[in-house]
Amino acid sequence: EAGVVQSPRYKIIEKKQPVAFWCNPISGHNTLYWYRQNLGQGPELLIRYENEEAVDDSQLPKDRFSAERLKGVDSTLKIQPAELGDSAVYLCASSQTQTEAFFGQGTRLTVV
Amino acid sequence: QQQVKQSPQSLIVQKGGISIINCAYENTAFDYFPWYQQFPGKGPALLIAIRPDVSEKKEGRFTISFNKSAKQFSLHIMDSQPGDSATYFCAASKAGRRALTFGSGTRLQVQP
Repeated sequence: EAGVVQSPRYKIIEKKQPVAFWCNPISGHNTLYWYRQNLGQGPELLIRYENEEAVDDSQLPKDRFSAERLKGVDSTLKIQPAELGDSAVYLCASSQTQTEAFFGQGTRLTVV
Repeated sequence: QQQVKQSPQSLIVQKGGISIINCAYENTAFDYFPWYQQFPGKGPALLIAIRPDVSEKKEGRFTISFNKSAKQFSLHIMDSQPGDSATYFCAASKAGRRALTFGSGTRLQVQP
């Protein structure tokens, strides 16, 4: 069974430019998460989807971040405009059971 | 507010030794406590998890000890191997909110 697939793996952009990340969760997983992991830190939740509905987005900086989950499957996370402090690894995870989450390899974003 | 505190930040253990990582939590609503293992360039992967109705759970060389009254839990890695060298994160979640709150991570190095 394929795991959580994320792309791109790496992205370097200049500040103030837009960037988008894509996630394909494990088939059948109705819960999808986006986490941000700063260097040397644990992941922090940005947003959680149950099917197509964003049910927990309290930590998402809504002035510059947006997300969507198409047809309750794939998801995209967008930053516009990017700031230097957005440099981090963006992790997507999915789950079917109430708690066990499976993570993708992440997208490492560098804003210069 | 750091809801899950993890220590130590880094740990060096000799091959065959015991690695011990500790976590403390504040929110008594947490009811699921997993440990994740992360290798460089990879996403976190679930290692072992426990619920507060038991005080210990063992899977192979990995054991979680849980102290509900002290609001602490720990990971013990017996017979540590160089292949165990990775960053370990404790986490917690509460019923109804599936997202995980992670600790800050422990970088384990097992020397041959």
